[in-house]
Amino acid sequence: EAAVTQSPRSKVAVTGGKVTLSCHQTNNHDYMYWYRQDTGHGLRLIHYSYVADSTEKGDIPDGYKASRPSQENFSLILELASLSQTAVYFCASSRDSANTEVFFGKGTRLTVV
Amino acid sequence: GDSVTQTEGLVTLTEGLPVMLNCTYQSTYSPFLFWYVQHLNEAPKLLLKSFTDNKRPEHQGFHATLHKSSSSFHLQKSSAQLSDSALYYCVTNAYKVIFGKGTHLHVLP
Repeated sequence: EAAVTQSPRSKVAVTGGKVTLSCHQTNNHDYMYWYRQDTGHGLRLIHYSYVADSTEKGDIPDGYKASRPSQENFSLILELASLSQTAVYFCASSRDSANTEVFFGKGTRLTVV
Repeated sequence: GDSVTQTEGLVTLTEGLPVMLNCTYQSTYSPFLFWYVQHLNEAPKLLLKSFTDNKRPEHQGFHATLHKSSSSFHLQKSSAQLSDSALYYCVTNAYKVIFGKGTHLHVLP
């Protein structure tokens, strides 16, 4: 079964600090995504990637960077964490961009204090 | 560009009543449509995917029919269960993945 693993599963960060969220997939999928979910709301796309060493901006990229060093790994980086970035972050992967299922990790709950 | 519009906000109904969550889409292609479900404190997961040959996909009592003439893919179930309470996303995926904003379904006893 397709597997997407996120680490850490939860994190408390200090305002102004740097945060790195990691994602690893064993699906051999080309596409990987980072989504943000605020309490009681739906998913919003932050960054995505369709090939190693390349990332693309999603709908809400401001304040976030992404890194795809290999097909299997995709990181989300908050250089200067802010209170407004408190949310649950989901990583996902898909075989390609069209007409295929998206598989999600279990999420990382980030609290910025 | 492509887009998805679904019933926004909260849908509340009593257990045993029928469920219908609306979804319409805009696309220059002929996309597959999907419904994903997210239960509280869980990750989203696939519920249904449209077929190319007008078959009606069904899963866990839910079904949806792709109507290309009206660009719709409404999610239906004949009788709601308490366990159906969740956040439902309609998704189009013609050339990129586009999630709708989600519809909260709250089933009351």
